[in-house]
This record gives sequence, structure tokens and C-alpha cells, in this order.
Amino acid sequence: AQSVTQLDSQVPVFEEAPVELRCNYSSSVSVYLFWYVQYPNQGLQLLLKYLSGSTLVKSINGFEAEFNKSQTSFHLRKPSVHISDTAEYFCAAHTQHLGGSQGNLIFGKGTKLSVKP
Amino acid sequence: EPEVTQTPSHQVTQMGQEVILRCVPISNHLYFYWYRQILGQKVEFLVSFYNNEISEKSEIFDDQFSVERPDGSNFTLKIRSTKLEDSAMYFCASSEQGAQTQYFGPGTRLLVL
Repeated sequence: AQSVTQLDSQVPVFEEAPVELRCNYSSSVSVYLFWYVQYPNQGLQLLLKYLSGSTLVKSINGFEAEFNKSQTSFHLRKPSVHISDTAEYFCAAHTQHLGGSQGNLIFGKGTKLSVKP
Repeated sequence: EPEVTQTPSHQVTQMGQEVILRCVPISNHLYFYWYRQILGQKVEFLVSFYNNEISEKSEIFDDQFSVERPDGSNFTLKIRSTKLEDSAMYFCASSEQGAQTQYFGPGTRLLVL
């Protein structure tokens, strides 16, 4: 069965430090990968996605993630974080089942990023 | 930028009561979804909907749940007889195509007492 694993439930980091949030997925079929961010008391916002093409994808606010098929990973990185990056980050995978059905997103448990001054 | 909207933002109900959660997907999207997130847990898929019928549903989506697209803009989730364990944040999402990016609404926080 499809699954998404986020090993780190919480990641504390100081402002301007680099950060990596880990995500691994298991799938025997083609997969699309996403990172969503949830700021306190808000909904899920799409941060970035990998559908096809270049394995390195970037967001407008400095995050990037690299699809690594051999390691079945899609880790999220940012070279220098800001206080405003404090949020919960969810990795998700979409598999379109055989027969071309709609499929759905499978989410990881989320990683709470806490950026301290 | 178009976005998914959901109403109400918060709903408190008594156990056994029926609730209807409403969503307005992005206007040119054809695929709709409901997910839920119990406090402190992961986001879980409930149901997907396309062409006025359910495409897929999870084990969570039992007979107490139903979805409907009553008109050209709204997409609703009905919980017939709420239970304490239905307390969660419910997210609606929509996508232009079935296997493409899903855009989420802000959620409805449901509290069953």
C-alpha cells in the first residue's frame, strides 16, 4: 500500500540556519509528490510539487525539494529560514490507480518547523 | 487568484445531530475531494467526486457520510448522525484534472459534544 513517511515530527532551528525536512514514500506505481504548508490556524497551502521533468523543484519563498527515485525520497530544504517559516509541513503523494481512476493524496504525519530568533 | 472556500469555518454540534459542511471549489475544476484531520493526526482522505458521482472513498467514509453537488458551484459533505470521534478539521479540495494538483480550502473545524 502507498505510504508517506515523515520521520521528524518536530524540527527546531534558529533563524537563518539551513533546514531539511525529510519525506520518504513507498509506491510501486508512478507518483506525484507535493509539499503543503499549514500555518497556525490556517488551511493547507501548496508549497511545491513534482509531477514530471526536472527532479529539483522550487517554491517562490526559497524552499526546494528534490525527487530521488532510487531513494524514494522528496526532502524539503531551505538554505536560510525565517521566523515566518514557522508552520507544519506535510509531504503528500498522489497515485493514480490502475484504470485511470481519480486517485487521492496520501499524507505524511507532518513536521512542525519551529524557527527561533 | 481563485481559491477554494469553505463554510462555516467552525461548527459545534451535539452528538447525533446532522451537519452539512459546504465548499465552493475553484470554478473550472472538475474533481472534488474531502479530507479530514483529527487534532494532532495526519490528514486523511475521505472521498473523491467527479461527474456527479463518487470516484473513490476511504474506509472512513461509511454510511453516515454523503456528498453532493447540489448546484453548479457548491460541494457538500453531510454527516448524518455525528459522533464524538467525528470532531476534526474537514478540508475540501479541488483539482482541474484527476491526477493533478489539489487545492485546499481553509477547512471547517467541527466539534461534536
